[in-house]
Amino acid sequence: GAGVSQSPSNKVTEKGKDVELRCDPISGHTALYWYRQSLGQGLEFLIYFQGNSAPDKSGLPSDRFSAERTGGSVSTLTIQRTQQEDSAVYLCASSLGGGFAFFGQGTRLTVV
Amino acid sequence: GQQVMQIPQYQHVQEGEDFTTYCNSSTTLSNIQWYKQRPGGHPVFLIQLVKSGEVKKQKRLTFQFGEAKKNSSLHITATQTTDVGTYFCAAGAGSYQLTFGKGTKLSVIP
Repeated sequence: GAGVSQSPSNKVTEKGKDVELRCDPISGHTALYWYRQSLGQGLEFLIYFQGNSAPDKSGLPSDRFSAERTGGSVSTLTIQRTQQEDSAVYLCASSLGGGFAFFGQGTRLTVV
Repeated sequence: GQQVMQIPQYQHVQEGEDFTTYCNSSTTLSNIQWYKQRPGGHPVFLIQLVKSGEVKKQKRLTFQFGEAKKNSSLHITATQTTDVGTYFCAAGAGSYQLTFGKGTKLSVIP
């Protein structure tokens, strides 16, 4: 596609359930980022993938969070045993090497 | 790892007043980028600066990269309600990874 695509756009889940958020980056972009943004707040870095290098996972807030990127393209962010404090907008961005980043529209996660 | 401080966190201005947000790093940067996120939207790239002391303008927006390449600023002259949003800087420091600041949320009072 022409831009970064994230799905679903909205997700409501019950506390304790697992969720998977998907990101389709721009074709050919080697770098992929996941960020979390709580209402009215700034960007919280979660994880960074660059090509075949080991990902930078330093921003993942707990071991309930994990992410993978298959074939250097699509990425999935998984949150296990969701908690109410996980409610936020999860943004994915991709870039070509060190170029500027294109963001997706985000997935709004609500844990009830 | 790389850290980028962005100030202020929030700024409320009267329409027509100027606005400035600052981005500071403890290490020398290879480039700095600026993004704007409108309410309800996602961050969108505005500009990239790569040279020491570089100044770029986009209409009422002026972007500066410090001489030491450790800081940057975004200045908006005569703010309008269309300027409302959160402005983020993103720093590159040699690797491909960008480090985003926390952002400055701008409110413009008509």
